[in-house]
Amino acid sequence: AQSVTQLDSQVPVFEEAPVELRCNYSSSVSVYLFWYVQYPNQGLQLLLKYLSGSTLVESINGFEAEFNKSQTSFHLRKPSVHISDTAEYFCAVSRSNDYKLSFGAGTTVTVRA
Amino acid sequence: SQTIHQWPATLVQPVGSPLSLECTVEGTSNPNLYWYRQAAGRGLQLLFYSVGIGQISSEVPQNLSASRPQDRQFILSSKKLLLSDSGFYLCAWSVLNFGGEAFFGQGTRLTVV
Repeated sequence: AQSVTQLDSQVPVFEEAPVELRCNYSSSVSVYLFWYVQYPNQGLQLLLKYLSGSTLVESINGFEAEFNKSQTSFHLRKPSVHISDTAEYFCAVSRSNDYKLSFGAGTTVTVRA
Repeated sequence: SQTIHQWPATLVQPVGSPLSLECTVEGTSNPNLYWYRQAAGRGLQLLFYSVGIGQISSEVPQNLSASRPQDRQFILSSKKLLLSDSGFYLCAWSVLNFGGEAFFGQGTRLTVV
């Protein structure tokens, strides 16, 4: 069975502080990993992804995530957040053999001034 | 360019009535197709996914079914709706040569009364 666990449901953080959102997965086959973001009253957008190669991937707006195969994790980090980063973040895992795409329960990030 | 159409945007149906939600994709061939239900605090629950015509994998035993009569058409159905079927339903597609990223429709808000 495949599952995705986001360990934090809500993360309040002050502006310019760092943030880390944790994601762990389980799968019997190799996987592709994704982080999606959903801003208030909007649809889901891809933030970054890991398919192969370098285990550290970055987005254009300062987020990064590192694939750790031994710990089956794909944690998302940003060294300094902005008010505009307030959103819900979803970790997702796609099986490489049949492309089953499963999502975690989401982490709500609220950035305060 | 690739687009995904999902309709209707909102739907109010009485208990016991049938349901048919349709999703079509344009601009790509042989996509992987997905139906999700999004609920607050529970993320995106995968309901069905399909890697080809007539190939449907069901993830959650429930009052719903899915069909893929054409390559780029995915239909979510029910013969008799329950109150618990109320929710926000999202259709999505992906292909590996687009990096496996899932692209989402605008969603259908279903209220069963």
